[in-house]
Amino acid sequence: EDKVVQSPLSLVVHEGDTVTLNCSYEVTNFRSLLWYKQEKKAPTFLFMLTSSGIEKKSGRLSSILDKKELFSILNITATQTGDSAIYLCAVEASGGSQGNLIFGKGTKLSVKP
Amino acid sequence: EAQVTQNPRYLITVTGKKLTVTCSQNMNHEYMSWYRQDPGLGLRQIYYSMNVEVTDKGDVPEGYKVSRKEKRNFPLILESPSPNQTSLYFCASSLRHLAGGNTGELFFGEGSRLTVL
Repeated sequence: EDKVVQSPLSLVVHEGDTVTLNCSYEVTNFRSLLWYKQEKKAPTFLFMLTSSGIEKKSGRLSSILDKKELFSILNITATQTGDSAIYLCAVEASGGSQGNLIFGKGTKLSVKP
Repeated sequence: EAQVTQNPRYLITVTGKKLTVTCSQNMNHEYMSWYRQDPGLGLRQIYYSMNVEVTDKGDVPEGYKVSRKEKRNFPLILESPSPNQTSLYFCASSLRHLAGGNTGELFFGEGSRLTVL
């Protein structure tokens, strides 16, 4: 059975800290891995990763994929209170049908002033 | 403004009373999908659609139906709702279906919170 596991499930840090969120997966016919940020309402897209070892970066956020070890990390440097959210990892696989996107349970990040 | 619009945003209903949650996108996206989000279980895919008249089951399709008669609309139908369908539902769309490779960026609606008594 395809699965995506995120860790930790929750994390509390102080402003200015650097955090690393983890996402491991076991899927048939991996296609891509995606990161989303969910604040109070709908998830918003952060990154899509398809190739190993190529870092994607946006401001203080960065992410990288390891297709050999089947995981990805999301780094946030110099955290701010506005980074508080649930971070979701999702993997597209074609073990069943194309278009099936499997989400992890998310990591809840709380950044304290 | 590019958006995915869901209605209703909040609904309380009773067991067995058929309901439809509408979803519409104005971005000419091919791919659309429905998810439910429950505490401790994360987001789970119910149904998805690669294009008009093409739909497929996700991980938790039982108790739901969908249709894709037009590109912009992808309604979620609960023929006979039960309390275990109480959840937060999200509709999402993407320019190309994810397997197409050009983008995996899903645009989500604001969510529909459904309570079945």
